[in-house]
Amino acid sequence: SQQGEEDPQALSIQEGENATMNCSYKTSINNLQWYRQNSGRGLVHLILIRSNEREKHSGRLRVTLDTSKKSSSLLITASRAADTASYFCATTSRRGSEKLVFGKGTKLTVNP
Amino acid sequence: EAQVTQNPRYLITVTGKKLTVTCSQNMNHEYMSWYRQDPGLGLRQIYYSMNVEVTDKGDVPEGYKVSRKEKRNFPLILESPSPNQTSLYFCASSLSGGRNYGYTFGSGTRLTVV
Repeated sequence: SQQGEEDPQALSIQEGENATMNCSYKTSINNLQWYRQNSGRGLVHLILIRSNEREKHSGRLRVTLDTSKKSSSLLITASRAADTASYFCATTSRRGSEKLVFGKGTKLTVNP
Repeated sequence: EAQVTQNPRYLITVTGKKLTVTCSQNMNHEYMSWYRQDPGLGLRQIYYSMNVEVTDKGDVPEGYKVSRKEKRNFPLILESPSPNQTSLYFCASSLSGGRNYGYTFGSGTRLTVV
């Protein structure tokens, strides 16, 4: 059961530009997480934002959460070619499950 | 180095031949899980385990088995693989589950069933 839906499905930018990816979800959440996946490799955890938080930063990453709109955004500032990857949002529900439900991802290409 | 180790990385097998994909973590995590990733379908959970001897079905458990006899290991067993189980498989672990912690993923096992 897919919970998060990322938008856009694909994004191509130039090195140095900012990249913004959005995630919408349907049911109440406990937290929302963002992951990166380089082609065919394992996912890497980037950041976790709880339902009572509105914004979180980690290095060049900025995540916002709007629970009233059931949406989140991931901003990567000053992008680099090494940021080229697929980015997934994942949520846990408020009902007590430990399961992470993933969206289908945004494929980001950063051109040198 | 803290990691989740999956083996093998690539596997080609024939329909009906039992196989096991191993998963081991060295972080003393309680929660472990298996996902499969398919184009257009994203990541779907197969099975998960909250602790030793505690396992439960995820969203797509049919055709798979798991066991959790030790905290560090969580093998995925395909008793009679079929071509629709051709996929990219990931093992993941977390300190106590996704409600409070992120997951650490293995590098993946690309399985082809012919």
